[in-house]
Amino acid sequence: TQLLEQSPQFLSIQEGENLTVYCNSSSVFSSLQWYRQEPGEGPVLLVTVVTGGEVKKLKRLTFQFGDARKDSSLHITAAQPGDTGLYLCGRSGGSNYKLTFGKGTLLTVNP
Amino acid sequence: EAGVAQSPRYKIIEKRQSVAFWCNPISGHATLYWYQQILGQGPKLLIQFQNNGVVDDSQLPKDRFSAERLKGVDSTLKIQPAKLEDSAVYLCASSLDRQEAFFGQGTRLTVV
Repeated sequence: TQLLEQSPQFLSIQEGENLTVYCNSSSVFSSLQWYRQEPGEGPVLLVTVVTGGEVKKLKRLTFQFGDARKDSSLHITAAQPGDTGLYLCGRSGGSNYKLTFGKGTLLTVNP
Repeated sequence: EAGVAQSPRYKIIEKRQSVAFWCNPISGHATLYWYQQILGQGPKLLIQFQNNGVVDDSQLPKDRFSAERLKGVDSTLKIQPAKLEDSAVYLCASSLDRQEAFFGQGTRLTVV
């Protein structure tokens, strides 16, 4: 069962545009991770957010953790073709620290 | 620091055959995960090890899939017999803190 809902599922934009993708859950996260996966590769960790309301920046990527720690967003400014990939949010939860992922947002940035 | 190593990168087998995948995690990482990823979707957790013990295998199809992590380091995932719907990418990941995971490149399995 996927406990993390990601939206949109697909996004195709032109180079230079801005975009935001979302990750939501009905339960509270102790922390949440964002990953990017390029075709033919495994996911690569981008960031971990821990504190409600936290904002982290990674070059043109801005990650925000909701105040209630039930949602998160990833904003990309001036997207480039190299940003193309599957963006995944993941969380570790439960007594076994089970690491689960959303279905992802497949982003295509056209030159 | 060496990353997570997986082999093979690609495998094509006929249905009802068996196949095995190998994973070598990052040194010192006690937690190891195997995921199945259907094209364009998020990874689905199959099994999670803590050292050489299984902590979650609730989504592992145990009638055909098996996994082991002898000595708490390397791991193998086996499918026997394979079905067409097993065609997917199988990802191995490891973690030091059970929060952030580091993935291998994956094995793309095609069952024909």
